Amino acid sequence: DAEITQSPRHKITETGRQVTLACHQTWNHNNMFWYRQDLGHGLRLIHYSYGVQDTNKGEVSDGYSVSRSNTEDLPLTLESAASSQTSVYFCATSRAGQETQYFGPGTRLLVL
Amino acid sequence: EDQVTQSPEALRLQEGESSSLNCSYTVSGLRGLFWYRQDPGKGPEFLFTLYSAGEEKEKERLKATLTKKESFLHITAPKPEDSATYLCAGGSMDSNYQLIWGAGTKLIIKP
Repeated sequence: DAEITQSPRHKITETGRQVTLACHQTWNHNNMFWYRQDLGHGLRLIHYSYGVQDTNKGEVSDGYSVSRSNTEDLPLTLESAASSQTSVYFCATSRAGQETQYFGPGTRLLVL
Repeated sequence: EDQVTQSPEALRLQEGESSSLNCSYTVSGLRGLFWYRQDPGKGPEFLFTLYSAGEEKEKERLKATLTKKESFLHITAPKPEDSATYLCAGGSMDSNYQLIWGAGTKLIIKP
């Protein structure tokens, strides 16, 4: 069955360290999204991609970067982790031309 | 500015007590109103998409309806396993396949 996997599922890091969260999908969907979810804020879009070599900034992109070298993967990098980036991170995908998004299981990140 | 607002923030019901969750939206050129279910520690799970006012969709004890200003998720005779956070989101003609998310309603069904 097609799926979206995220790794690691849990991560503890220190402020200032670079951290990369992985997202891998076997849906063969063109569109991929990274969100963070915090109490009181709901889902907020960090970065998104509509295909290989395409990346775009979302509403909360400062301190994050992504790259898309193939259809299956969209890794999210925190360049220099800050305590404000403690959150749960979700990767989602959708078919080209469609809005319905399918989500991965999430990564819980704690920055100390 | 496009916006999606859900109410209430939390809802506690007894098993079997029917109720409704509200999702109000101001989205230019709505391209679908989406409902998701999220269980603790998991990613959101897609439930329904509604495209036009008057449309209804059902799944087990859940029925979603849509008007020009809001959507309702009706829960009939809920069971404890229906406990979850329910999220709604709007797709806009202007947002290029992104979704505008509400903050969610946490539903707790007591046995």
